[in-house]
Amino acid sequence: NAGVTQTPKFQVLKTGQSMTLQCAQDMNHEYMSWYRQDPGMGLRLIHYSVGAGITDQGEVPNGYNVSRSTTEDFPLRLLSAAPSQTSVYFCASSRRQGPNEQFFGPGTRLTVL
Amino acid sequence: AQSVAQPEDQVNVAEGNPLTVKCTYSVSGNPYLFWYVQYPNRGLQFLLKYITGDNLVKGSYGFEAEFNKSQTSFHLKKPSALVSDSALYFCAVRAGLRGNTPLVFGKGTRLSVIA
Repeated sequence: NAGVTQTPKFQVLKTGQSMTLQCAQDMNHEYMSWYRQDPGMGLRLIHYSVGAGITDQGEVPNGYNVSRSTTEDFPLRLLSAAPSQTSVYFCASSRRQGPNEQFFGPGTRLTVL
Repeated sequence: AQSVAQPEDQVNVAEGNPLTVKCTYSVSGNPYLFWYVQYPNRGLQFLLKYITGDNLVKGSYGFEAEFNKSQTSFHLKKPSALVSDSALYFCAVRAGLRGNTPLVFGKGTRLSVIA
């Protein structure tokens, strides 16, 4: 199993550009989520999904969109990048919610100029 | 609402000494509690979790954590620290017995083990 994969690993955008961060998992996990990690802020939840076709907002959803058309994939879209979105983004997945630990991808480091 | 507090931004310990990384939580009902570790330029790795039962939970790499319901704490411990334990540690909580509540993370504690 590849686990949770994320592409790209690094990305530089200009303010106003849009892009999609890709996330895929091959563990047949129902639950997937996106976090951003900023110094001194820990991990903050952006969006999450409990299954194909179902998504919900987390703590910091503004400026981001998600969709979940398949169990395996959970892309994160930046609609119009802003410098405040400079961060490291992590995707995670787990079996149904509850006591199951989440598996994290390696992250995408995004810089918005 | 769920929340996690890690009161120390940084913990320094000498190699061979015991280490403790503190975590307190707030959640409605019974908690599911987790510890993760992050090495530089890597994703988070699961260390251990508490669901129910024995208050002392053992996990990977010799780490353990003690659940204390009265103090709402879940401190991470290791009897003898290694330099290779130096990393960023995150505590996380989810409300148990509820449907789709996301995992909430603390802000992290940087552990530095000095040789």
